[in-house]
Amino acid sequence: GAGVSQSPSNKVTEKGKDVELRCDPISGHTALYWYRQRLGQGLEFLIYFQGNSAPDKSGLPSDRFSAERTGESVSTLTIQRTQQEDSAVYLCASSWGQGASAEAFFGQGTRLTVV
Amino acid sequence: DQQVKQNSPSLSVQEGRISILNCDYTNSMFDYFLWYKKYPAEGPTFLISISSIKDKNEDGRFTVFLNKSAKHLSLHIVPSQPGDSAVYFCAARRRNFGNEKLTFGTGTRLTIIP
Repeated sequence: GAGVSQSPSNKVTEKGKDVELRCDPISGHTALYWYRQRLGQGLEFLIYFQGNSAPDKSGLPSDRFSAERTGESVSTLTIQRTQQEDSAVYLCASSWGQGASAEAFFGQGTRLTVV
Repeated sequence: DQQVKQNSPSLSVQEGRISILNCDYTNSMFDYFLWYKKYPAEGPTFLISISSIKDKNEDGRFTVFLNKSAKHLSLHIVPSQPGDSAVYFCAARRRNFGNEKLTFGTGTRLTIIP
């Protein structure tokens, strides 16, 4: 497809389980972001990938969170030992990256519910 | 440390009138600013942007104003339409500093009253 694709769209998991969220960015976009939005709150930055540079992980809330990106394509966000406070919509975005058009395009998000 | 702030969580405007959404930032290194619109159950969509070398950018009904000395930007929507009802996020980045991480505000929910 032409846009950013995220899967699954919804995920319900039990507290303590691990989850993996997937993002397929727009082809050719070198920059990829993960954000989350908790209920009633703004967009919280998690992690940013730009080409072959070391990712900016400054927004990851704890060591239970990690993300990987294969080249300039798919990214996965992994949350280990999920907690109820991890419940949120996880949004992925991609853009052309450094020095180019700055707007990022978002996917529909993955709604994670930890019960 | 909230570097991008939207102090009004909500705003209601009569259809046909002007909607003004405000955003303040604290990091003077930010040089590119964007507005996004978000409907429920959808990802944010890009609306309009402005570079720090400009003080105004217009696109149809949408105009963004930037006041660098005040570290303030605003989005004007005129005339407002019912389909404009959404949450609006402003975002900023340091485009020329090798790190284009987008920093978002907390959003303003705009409701257009028919």
